[in-house]
Amino acid sequence: GQSLEQPSEVTAVEGAIVQINCTYQTSGFYGLSWYQQHDGGAPTFLSYNALDGLEETGRFSSFLSRSDSYGYLLLQELQMKDSASYFCAVESSSYKLIFGSGTRLLVRP
Amino acid sequence: EAGVTQSPTHLIKTRGQQATLRCSPISGHTSVYWYQQALGLGLQFLLWYDEGEERNRGNFPPRFSGRQFPNYSSELNVNALELEDSALYLCASNNGLDLADTQYFGPGTRLTVL
Repeated sequence: GQSLEQPSEVTAVEGAIVQINCTYQTSGFYGLSWYQQHDGGAPTFLSYNALDGLEETGRFSSFLSRSDSYGYLLLQELQMKDSASYFCAVESSSYKLIFGSGTRLLVRP
Repeated sequence: EAGVTQSPTHLIKTRGQQATLRCSPISGHTSVYWYQQALGLGLQFLLWYDEGEERNRGNFPPRFSGRQFPNYSSELNVNALELEDSALYLCASNNGLDLADTQYFGPGTRLTVL
């Protein structure tokens, strides 16, 4: 079967760095995506990793290790507006995008 | 450029009724995806349409169905509504068959089944 695991909730202070981990189990893995969703809003794309390593986009970075079936999203210089839910999603050979249950990030002043 | 639009914003139905949800993708996008998001939970993949054809579906009963029109807009139909169908239904679109392309989400339709 296919499954993704990520922490349900993470709390951090403004200006800090936070890492949200995602482990997955799937057949025919193609890549790992990250999406952000604010309360009441639509998910928006953050990053995509198909190969091992780190992808950086501004304050956000995403890492993938295919051999460990593991990835993470790194958020630097946290801002209050970063408070949201973050979903990892696996693209598999069955052409489905399977989402994790999401990590709620709370940024405190 | 207009984003993905969905209608209606909210829909209230009773058990046993049928619901129809609509989605218009971003201009030029040929693929439409439907997801169900129950309150506080993740996104569950429902259906994927591309070029008018159903490409794949998630683990949902047959009473969840849909179609894609020649203009690439899409409709999700839920028959014989059950209380547990209450959720936010999200539509997303992108180009072609490559799921590595970003999926752009609409604001969703919140379906409440009483």
